[in-house]
Amino acid sequence: GESVGLHLPTLSVQEGDNSIINCAYSNSASDYFIWYKQESGKGPQFIIDIRSNMDKRQGQRVTVLLNKTVKHLSLQIAATQPGDSAVYFCAENPRTGNQFYFGTGTSLTVIP
Amino acid sequence: NAGVTQTPKFQVLKTGQSMTLQCAQDMNHNSMYWYRQDPGMGLRLIYYSASEGTTDKGEVPNGYNVSRLNKREFSLRLESAAPSQTSVYFCASRTGENYGYTFGSGTRLTVV
Repeated sequence: GESVGLHLPTLSVQEGDNSIINCAYSNSASDYFIWYKQESGKGPQFIIDIRSNMDKRQGQRVTVLLNKTVKHLSLQIAATQPGDSAVYFCAENPRTGNQFYFGTGTSLTVIP
Repeated sequence: NAGVTQTPKFQVLKTGQSMTLQCAQDMNHNSMYWYRQDPGMGLRLIYYSASEGTTDKGEVPNGYNVSRLNKREFSLRLESAAPSQTSVYFCASRTGENYGYTFGSGTRLTVV
């Protein structure tokens, strides 16, 4: 099966600092990646995606970086706010696959 | 626009009881998915339906059945609940491959 892992299970940052959440994936055939945010008691929510023909993609306060050489994905959150406290999942979709494979998640805590 | 609606939100079952988890989406998505989420294990795919009229097993299908009733609805049935099926269940949908999921808010199931 697929294997998507995260380097750190928990991350604490001061409000206003930048956050970086990392993810390693194992399937070199994966060509579509998404970061999801899950708040307590809610379903995962789409944050940002990136396809394998890109190295970087920016959204509002978030940036995703993709390094296909080492099969690594990262999510950068600028000026982290208390509302960013949640569990963040990376997910990969293989080129010929019908599903996403999810990592175990990183819990981000923002300290006011 | 409701997105993906799951019912019920909470359920307690006794071992051996049966129940059906309901999921409906109003986004005209072709593909629908059932995942379970357990602590420290991320999201694992139970079953999916790539299009109306088709269903396929995911990573952890044992003890479950599904029905794609029509394009909008995808139900998950537990025929004889076991304590190992205590989990949070998420339904998701998407337009097709290479698109992200929209998740429901989840069903928290406890089997005693």
